[in-house]
Amino acid sequence: AQKITQTQPGMFVQEKEAVTLDCTYDTSDQSYGLFWYKQPSSGEMIFLIYQGSYDEQNATEGRYSLNFQKARKSANLVISASQLGDSAMYFCAMREAGNQFYFGTGTSLTVIP
Amino acid sequence: DAMVIQNPRYQVTQFGKPVTLSCSQTLNHNVMYWYQQKSSQAPKLLFHYYDKDFNNEADTPDNFQSRRPNTSFCFLDIRSPGLGDAAMYLCATSRNQRNQPQHFGDGTRLSIL
Repeated sequence: AQKITQTQPGMFVQEKEAVTLDCTYDTSDQSYGLFWYKQPSSGEMIFLIYQGSYDEQNATEGRYSLNFQKARKSANLVISASQLGDSAMYFCAMREAGNQFYFGTGTSLTVIP
Repeated sequence: DAMVIQNPRYQVTQFGKPVTLSCSQTLNHNVMYWYQQKSSQAPKLLFHYYDKDFNNEADTPDNFQSRRPNTSFCFLDIRSPGLGDAAMYLCATSRNQRNQPQHFGDGTRLSIL
């Protein structure tokens, strides 16, 4: 079974609108971390936001927020007030015990002017 | 600024000619990773080091080797590159804690002639 599932290969959003990128995960661990990364066309992977499994509040970082629903095992990324520079691939990842990160297949976001 | 540096940014080699990619970090993280990423795909973990402990993924070809002579440096050696090895190679570092993200270098794009 896939550890991380991102079901949206591509998404479009109008500039200044909000967009939600979906991520579901599969783990039997009680303690784990969820991460979102942005990868522009230039190739570097940029860490955006983190959510711990025991965190009761949804994580927020500027225009990024994480809609964490533990019972549903989902950790969706919300980008508010989209900008042209937000056009990129977005990867959801999970870290369980140990040092391995599990990545989803990514969502390609295009912001339309 | 503390960072992860990969050299070179672009590497061209000939079919079957050994090539080495390098990664250095100033973050003093004890975990270092090498990923292979092909176009429009998620990064694929090749191996990682936790301090000097080497962890190879089961499906990493024998053609790929790694060295970590000290905390700061990690190398990826491809002994006999094939056309299928053309990809972006990403180095990442992390602390050995579940809530810690990975920090990535800008990647090395490898082409095989």
